[in-house]
Amino acid sequence: ELKVEQNPLFLSMQEGKNYTIYCNYSTTSDRLYWYRQDPGKSLESLFVLLSNGAVKQEGRLMASLDTKARLSTLHITAAVHDLSATYFCAVVLMNRDDKIIFGKGTRLHILP
Amino acid sequence: EPEVTQTPSHQVTQMGQEVILRCVPISNHLYFYWYRQILGQKVEFLVSFYNNEISEKSEIFDDQFSVERPDGSNFTLKIRSTKLEDSAMYFCASSGQGAYDEQYFGPGTRLTVT
Repeated sequence: ELKVEQNPLFLSMQEGKNYTIYCNYSTTSDRLYWYRQDPGKSLESLFVLLSNGAVKQEGRLMASLDTKARLSTLHITAAVHDLSATYFCAVVLMNRDDKIIFGKGTRLHILP
Repeated sequence: EPEVTQTPSHQVTQMGQEVILRCVPISNHLYFYWYRQILGQKVEFLVSFYNNEISEKSEIFDDQFSVERPDGSNFTLKIRSTKLEDSAMYFCASSGQGAYDEQYFGPGTRLTVT
């Protein structure tokens, strides 16, 4: 059974700093999503990573996927308060195209 | 911008009752999903639906649950004989190209079972 582990689960950081959230998964997969969730709100899709070596950037966020290491990272550059949210990675089971397993989420709190 | 909508936003029901949660996916999407999130916890996949049938389901999605696309626009989740532990936020999502594409999530229905 696929396990998806995120770390850290909670992160408090200062504005202007850089940091990385890690997402490890336990079995082969070549498709991974990153989502953002604000408190009491729904999930917003940030990135869809579909191949080994995929890198995508949007504003201060950059996501990458290493399928050989079974690792994805979400890098935050020069954090701003508006990025405070919970970030989830989610992995698609190989050969189970529509079954998606989420990590526990990383609660990011950026101090002004 | 097209969006996924869900009704009701909050449903309170008594244990043992049946509930139907409704979703209207984005109109040209073909893949539909239900997830749940117990307060403060991770998002759990329940079921995916494509071409008028279930394509995948999780261990959570037992005989108590069913999904239906009764017409060209609605996608419903029925929970029979609700239990206290069914209390959660239920999210519907849709996608144009399944797991190769981003999923658009609805605002969710908060289900409270008393």
